[in-house]
Amino acid sequence: QITLKESGPGLVKPAQTLTLTCNYSGFSLSSSGVGVGWIRQPPGKALEWLAYINWDGDRRYSPSLKSRLTITKDTSKNQVVLTMTNMDPVDTATYYCAHRLISTGSGWAIDYWGQGTLVTVSS
Amino acid sequence: DIQMTQSPSSLSASVGDRVTITCRASQSVGTYLHWYLQRPGTAPKLLIYAASSLQSGVPSRFSGSGSGTDFTLTINSLQPEDFATYYCQQTYSTPLTFGGGTKVEIK
Repeated sequence: QITLKESGPGLVKPAQTLTLTCNYSGFSLSSSGVGVGWIRQPPGKALEWLAYINWDGDRRYSPSLKSRLTITKDTSKNQVVLTMTNMDPVDTATYYCAHRLISTGSGWAIDYWGQGTLVTVSS
Repeated sequence: DIQMTQSPSSLSASVGDRVTITCRASQSVGTYLHWYLQRPGTAPKLLIYAASSLQSGVPSRFSGSGSGTDFTLTINSLQPEDFATYYCQQTYSTPLTFGGGTKVEIK
């Protein structure tokens, strides 16, 4: 049974760095094809992909946010961490971590999502 | 970046109706197109992957079709639990991109 759960500070001040942790279970991020990613959703708005990291260490980032994002994995702890620097009120959103579907032709479709964590950026 | 455009942005329908949502990509994504349902306050749920493959556990009233730039999600016989927002996503290339969503409301 695959589960993912995000944790984070809830509230950050402008210009601060956000660190989000995704704790997962039910799969190994060392196994071929496996990936974990981050997606966010501002209140009342659409989904926005941020980054992913695959089993082989391949990392991809949203170009518009690339200079601010870092994604890392710690397979010994079953964790994926996303850091985002220089936070701004427009970054207020629910942040989801997600598991890549492994199936023919699925690309980077997402079959499991965490419950999401709301991050508010305000002074 | 590949832009994903969904239409309509919202629709009203009744239980039992057949509903069709379209998604258009700004360039070909092959069949790397997926559909999600999101109910208020919850995470999205995968319905269809690779344009037409039904995700395990998803009712057969959901179906997807298309390739290249034009795709459709069809819901046959709309059920009360289907009133939600639907998103398409392309994973042909990074950045992965989502459509703006289609909200299906009760008529």
